[in-house]
Amino acid sequence: QSVLTQPPSMSGTPGQRVTISCSGSSSNIGSNTVNWYQQLPGRAPKLLFYTNTQRPSGVPDRFSASKSGTSASLAISGLQSEDDADYYCAAWDDNLSGVVFGGGTRLSVL
Amino acid sequence: QLQLRESGPGTMKPSETLSLTCIVSGGSISSTNYYWGWVRQPPGKGLEWIGNIYFNGSPYYNPSLKSRVTISVDTSKNQFSLKLTSVTAADTAVYYCARFIGVPAADPWGQGTLVTVSS
Repeated sequence: QSVLTQPPSMSGTPGQRVTISCSGSSSNIGSNTVNWYQQLPGRAPKLLFYTNTQRPSGVPDRFSASKSGTSASLAISGLQSEDDADYYCAAWDDNLSGVVFGGGTRLSVL
Repeated sequence: QLQLRESGPGTMKPSETLSLTCIVSGGSISSTNYYWGWVRQPPGKGLEWIGNIYFNGSPYYNPSLKSRVTISVDTSKNQFSLKLTSVTAADTAVYYCARFIGVPAADPWGQGTLVTVSS
């Protein structure tokens, strides 16, 4: 059971917009910044967003992120086949004194 | 361009000590802006944070692994290491090293190395 809760799977068709949620608590998302990762099949994770909404260079602006209270979300617009991947949220947890990850969301582009 | 590469044993037996090294190239591990750390991923499962270290500071670890984990830095070799004692089958995972631009913002990551614990 992950400290941060994500839907295990989602799907979409090319061109669609999908939103992946990440639910936490006051000790993690509620008081610390959220990061998002994309993991393509068989590859290492790649940082998509840090400090809630900061996008590293090279990440397409089709990707956007937001945070409100104890939840965060990752949105992908104009879905493309190469977006077929696992997505993880992460945050520092003050109670656990450590980093917690969401369980991951498997996004399938149909 | 910064690159990280993990090296490790591949296969090991229960109760042994896992030792992994992450070689950093294209940048200095002594940079004052970054932390360095490890994340693992059991086959078919999600990501688990192991711990982080600053080049000249104290490490901090996942509380669930703290009694068995040691992370250290060797600035002369531009590398950092992970030791995990008393491994069991539950420690079977792909182990990734990464630079952290803030914790837990890891970028970039190494390619990962699979460690299998089996008798």
